[in-house]
Amino acid sequence: DAGITQSPRHKVTETGTPVTLRCHQTENHRYMYWYRQDPGHGLRLIHYSYGVKDTDKGEVSDGYSVSRSKTEDFLLTLESATSSQTSVYFCAISEKLAGAPEQYFGPGTRLTVT
Amino acid sequence: DQQVKQNSPSLSVQEGRISILNCDYTNSMFDYFLWYKKYPAEGPTFLISISSIKDKNEDGRFTVFLNKSAKHLSLHIVPSQPGDSAVYFCAASPTGNQFYFGTGTSLTVIP
Repeated sequence: DAGITQSPRHKVTETGTPVTLRCHQTENHRYMYWYRQDPGHGLRLIHYSYGVKDTDKGEVSDGYSVSRSKTEDFLLTLESATSSQTSVYFCAISEKLAGAPEQYFGPGTRLTVT
Repeated sequence: DQQVKQNSPSLSVQEGRISILNCDYTNSMFDYFLWYKKYPAEGPTFLISISSIKDKNEDGRFTVFLNKSAKHLSLHIVPSQPGDSAVYFCAASPTGNQFYFGTGTSLTVIP
């Protein structure tokens, strides 16, 4: 299994509070991603990183920010959580090699905003 | 607008038979395609990928077929096993960096 951990694994928070989710990898992969999974939508990309301090927006980036100060850590922050951000959040990593890419996911964080 | 579509929400197959999961895409710039399996309460597990220069890639019981002219790919699982029961996602990428996912197909393999 790819060495990807996410913390916390579960969190309940109140509307309006800030929340930070952490993703940690031990594979030294260049690319890191944050997705959310919701019924009927599959997985949707929130933000991704292509190197330390290099990030870009995904399909559903509004209300989220990210930071990557080290290769191994990618943080997702909800500045002011809303009920629409209740979801399961997955971190993923990949490395661009010759041929088709492979992407590996963490175990997920279930976030509930009340 | 969903660029990657899995039009069958569910599929049931007898153990030992072939499972065929389908995926369609709309963006002709997609060059890389991936399949994942997901069990409840776990992260997706990478299964197999293919680049647009190929039309078939095989790994054990899993084979992915790509039809670029039809913008269609499929995952074949032969023979199907009860442990294959899961939700399967296809994903596509124009560059190998940013990935777009379908909504998933729930496969049930009946013993």
